[in-house]
Amino acid sequence: NAGVTQTPKFRVLKTGQSMTLLCAQDMNHEYMYWYRQDPGMGLRLIHYSVGEGTTAKGEVPDGYNVSRLKKQNFLLGLESAAPSQTSVYFCASRDRSSSYNEQFFGPGTRLTVL
Amino acid sequence: AQSVTQLGSHVSVSEGALVLLRCNYSSSVPPYLFWYVQYPNQGLQLLLKYTTGATLVKGINGFEAEFKKSETSFHLTKPSAHMSDAAEYFCAVILYSGYSTLTFGKGTMLLVSP
Repeated sequence: NAGVTQTPKFRVLKTGQSMTLLCAQDMNHEYMYWYRQDPGMGLRLIHYSVGEGTTAKGEVPDGYNVSRLKKQNFLLGLESAAPSQTSVYFCASRDRSSSYNEQFFGPGTRLTVL
Repeated sequence: AQSVTQLGSHVSVSEGALVLLRCNYSSSVPPYLFWYVQYPNQGLQLLLKYTTGATLVKGINGFEAEFKKSETSFHLTKPSAHMSDAAEYFCAVILYSGYSTLTFGKGTMLLVSP
């Protein structure tokens, strides 16, 4: 099993451009999460999904949109990128059977907005 | 509201010395507690977790942590540091919640010198 994969690994955008980050998991997990990691800030939750077709806002949702059309995929979109969105983005997934189950993380996407 | 505080953004130890990384949480109800490790340019990996039961939790790579309710702490320890332990460590907490969103501390970078 590949676990959680993220595409792309690196991306440079200009201010105002749009892009979509793809997260895919092959563990049949119900729950999926998008985080951003900034130096000295730890990881902060952007959006999450508890099942196909459902999404919810996390701690820092502004400027991002998400979609969960298929159970195995969770997309994070930036409609108009800003320099403040320069960050490393991590996707995670977990099984729904218990609320303290481990979240499995992808390798991250490093995004720079100029 | 819940929060996680990790004391010290950087901790330096010598190889073979005791590792102690501090984590305190604030929560109105007993939380689930986690320690994750992040090696350079990688995603996060679960070290250990506390859910219920025994307050001393053993994890991978020789790490352990003790849940102390009276001190609202969940400090991570390892008796003897190895060079390979150099990484960033994150404490995280969730409440008894069906959606189990993780709240992370800001992280502690562990530096190990020969």
